Amino acid sequence: DTEVTQTPKHLVMGMTNKKSLKCEQHMGHRAMYWYKQKAKKPPELMFVYSYEKLSINESVPSRFSPECPNSSLLNLHLHALQPEDSALYLCASSQGASQETQYFGPGTRLLVL
Amino acid sequence: QKEVEQNSGPLSVPEGAIASLNCTYSDRVSQSFFWYRQYSGKSPELIMSIYSNGDKEDGRFTAQLNKASQYVSLLIRDSQPSDSATYLCAALDTGRRALTFGSGTRLQVQP
Repeated sequence: DTEVTQTPKHLVMGMTNKKSLKCEQHMGHRAMYWYKQKAKKPPELMFVYSYEKLSINESVPSRFSPECPNSSLLNLHLHALQPEDSALYLCASSQGASQETQYFGPGTRLLVL
Repeated sequence: QKEVEQNSGPLSVPEGAIASLNCTYSDRVSQSFFWYRQYSGKSPELIMSIYSNGDKEDGRFTAQLNKASQYVSLLIRDSQPSDSATYLCAALDTGRRALTFGSGTRLQVQP
């Protein structure tokens, strides 16, 4: 089973709203990732959690706040977003071993009005 | 300079033909490479991973890695219209534990 789930599938929010994206995996993976993908562009790394600790923050604006409550769950809290933040947000996970095959969830399509 | 480069395409092949997708990488990235397929509006789906020089086959797909020349390729035999998608080459930066993606090659298989 290589399933990573994400909720919600779609999200529309205003610039003053606070919302959260959720990601879950039950593969026993110890590394989890958030990527952002704009139309016709490749995914861009935002955050990496390794063994529930934030190991990489790719200089992401503070209006994006990640959280890893446990090894199976990853959240992305959103606050005061801008229209240019509209994108597909992808969660991925990997075993945490050296060769690191990453498996992606279906993504959350976010529209900021 | 980009660390992983791909031709954006579109690459158009007739049904039943072999599609050849190529990717080059810089020295900085790791020696682990991945091919993902992404349909429009969907998330990337892992097709192949390759870590050693040479060929790796899985069904209609063959990944090739040449570390001396710093390129990775993906061959799709007996291409089907359902193979029409964007193919993303990715390299793993072991130090950062992060994937660096190429810009993707759009493949169109003509019936």
